[in-house]
Parts: sequence; structure tokens; C-alpha cells
Amino acid sequence: GQNIDQPTEMTATEGAIVQINCTYQTSGFNGLFWYQQHAGEAPTFLSYNVLDGLEEKGRFSSFLSRSKGYSYLLLKELQMKDSASYLCASRGGTYKYIFGTGTRLKVLA
Amino acid sequence: DAGVIQSPRHEVTEMGQEVTLRCKPISGHDYLFWYRQTMMRGLELLIYFNNNVPIDDSGMPEDRFSAKMPNASFSTLKIQPSEPRDSAVYFCASSFGLAGGARETQYFGPGTRLLVL
Repeated sequence: GQNIDQPTEMTATEGAIVQINCTYQTSGFNGLFWYQQHAGEAPTFLSYNVLDGLEEKGRFSSFLSRSKGYSYLLLKELQMKDSASYLCASRGGTYKYIFGTGTRLKVLA
Repeated sequence: DAGVIQSPRHEVTEMGQEVTLRCKPISGHDYLFWYRQTMMRGLELLIYFNNNVPIDDSGMPEDRFSAKMPNASFSTLKIQPSEPRDSAVYFCASSFGLAGGARETQYFGPGTRLLVL
């Protein structure tokens, strides 16, 4: 089957670090993506992992463990503009993308 | 580049009416995706095309939904007849391919907010 699980909501303070977890069950797994979506806007690409390990890109990092079906997105030095939904998505063997319902992150001053 | 273009941005219609959503992908992108987003179900892939050919339409909810891509720069998603439960935001996205990494990044259009009364 195909399934993505991530927390519905998270709250953090400006300047802090937050980790958003994602677990997946995907037949023929072939890549894990993170997208950011501000309210009322379209999703925008943040990161891609296909091999185990950590990918760092500025304040954002993404980690993947294929054996555990687990990924996380790490946001450092949180800013108010990081308040958004973060979507975890997996790609299966048929190149079908499955998106989670997203984690709504609120950054407080 | 103007990015992915979708029209209309908002659509309000009555149950039973035909709705046509339009999408112009980024020039040079080989893949085009149609998604539907609701609060309850999140972002769902409806169908995707490669070089104008539909590859996987298993996400299309019912026969009331159909999608076409007559050429590399235009695609439509049609709902006929529309029902209140079709109310959602419909996104079109395009990408260079499925080779992984940056080339697989999907660029989303601004979406069409559909309300069926």
C-alpha cells in the first residue's frame, strides 16, 4: 500500500530549531520530497532524498532512512516567514507521487 | 519564464454544470501533473502526462473527470457533471523529468479554486 504520515501541527519559536517527521510506506520507493506551502499559495520544492543520509541546504536539511521508511525536515534559525505547511511526498515504482496531508508550522515571536 | 499558468484562478459553478480547468506548463518540461487539494485528503495526484501522453490516471476519482494534453503547451482537466464534493483547489505542475534531483522538481501553478454549489 501507499501511505504517508506526518504530524498535523507544530509550533516553535523564532530562532529555534524544529524537526518535522514523516513516515512512509511506498511500493517500489524511489525518492522522498519535501515541499513548502504558504497559505493560499502553491507548493514549492525544498528538498529531495533518495539515498540514506542528510542533505543540507542552507537553513533547511532533510534526512532519509530507507530501511525505516522515515524522513525528517530540519529547519534551523526559524524565521516568521517559515510559518507554512510542509508537505512530505514519496515517489513509488510507477513514478506515482503520494503526498502527506502536510504539517502546519506556526512560528511565534 | 512565467512559470506554470493556470486558468481560471477561481471558479464558482452550480451542481451539474461542466467545468474546464486549463494549464500551460513551463516550456521544455516533459511531464505535467494534475493534483487536487482538500483539507481532509491533502494533495492528491489525479493524472500525469509524459510528452503529452497520459501515463497514470489511476487517481482520477470517477468517469466524470477527464484530462487531455493536445500539445506540449496546453492541458485541460474537465469535470462533467460537477458535484459539490468536487470543491477543492486544483493544481497543475510540470517538471523536466523523473531522473531525480533538481530535474525532477515539480513547479506548481497558482491553482484553481473551485466551488460547486
